[in-house]
Amino acid sequence: DTAVSQTPKYLVTQMGNDKSIKCEQNLGHDTMYWYKQDSKKFLKIMFSYNNKELIINETVPNRFSPKSPDKAHLNLHINSLELGDSAVYFCASSTGQGREQYFGPGTRLTVT
Amino acid sequence: GEDVEQSLFLSVREGDSSVINCTYTDSSSTYLYWYKQEPGAGLQLLTYIFSNMDMKQDQRLTVLLNKKDKHLSLRIADTQTGDSAIYFCAVENNAGNMLTFGGGTRLMVKP
Repeated sequence: DTAVSQTPKYLVTQMGNDKSIKCEQNLGHDTMYWYKQDSKKFLKIMFSYNNKELIINETVPNRFSPKSPDKAHLNLHINSLELGDSAVYFCASSTGQGREQYFGPGTRLTVT
Repeated sequence: GEDVEQSLFLSVREGDSSVINCTYTDSSSTYLYWYKQEPGAGLQLLTYIFSNMDMKQDQRLTVLLNKKDKHLSLRIADTQTGDSAIYFCAVENNAGNMLTFGGGTRLMVKP
């Protein structure tokens, strides 16, 4: 009965590879988000989707492409991975834009 | 854009009260939130306050908001070792479509 789930939990890959992280929420929320948390725990929003439409894209390189096949899913695809992409990526969802957000457990991405 | 600041670290003894502070820059912020992150886990929403309130109490948690000074605080009464975590304040923008998070305060509770 997990509310917001992400897969995989850990992802180790080499520079230049392409990878995807999946997110699903079963809360019936309309809005989903991707955040990046760096090694100093600083958390920054990357994308926000409302009803499958992109609302926010916060100066993220176009190597990152979110895809929302339906309201319950928001996947993150990353092309040509770089060392600086190493971080923990969190998915979140809310009933309205910006409101009480519920976070997934995170995906720790390590690029070697 | 919005800037949200928190002190990095706080250490208290078990049973004492903890006060975690946060300052922000956008005076038109509507909702302000406190999240807790335990090691290896995602962020857990603890509580929130609407900008027209000064105080909100929820069991051991008390949130104080000083809109004039753009200062938000979270007080944890009778702090327990299980409260050890990183606490993030987050501020919602006026458009209501984005949260900006502070850098997090690491709370350490000593037995």
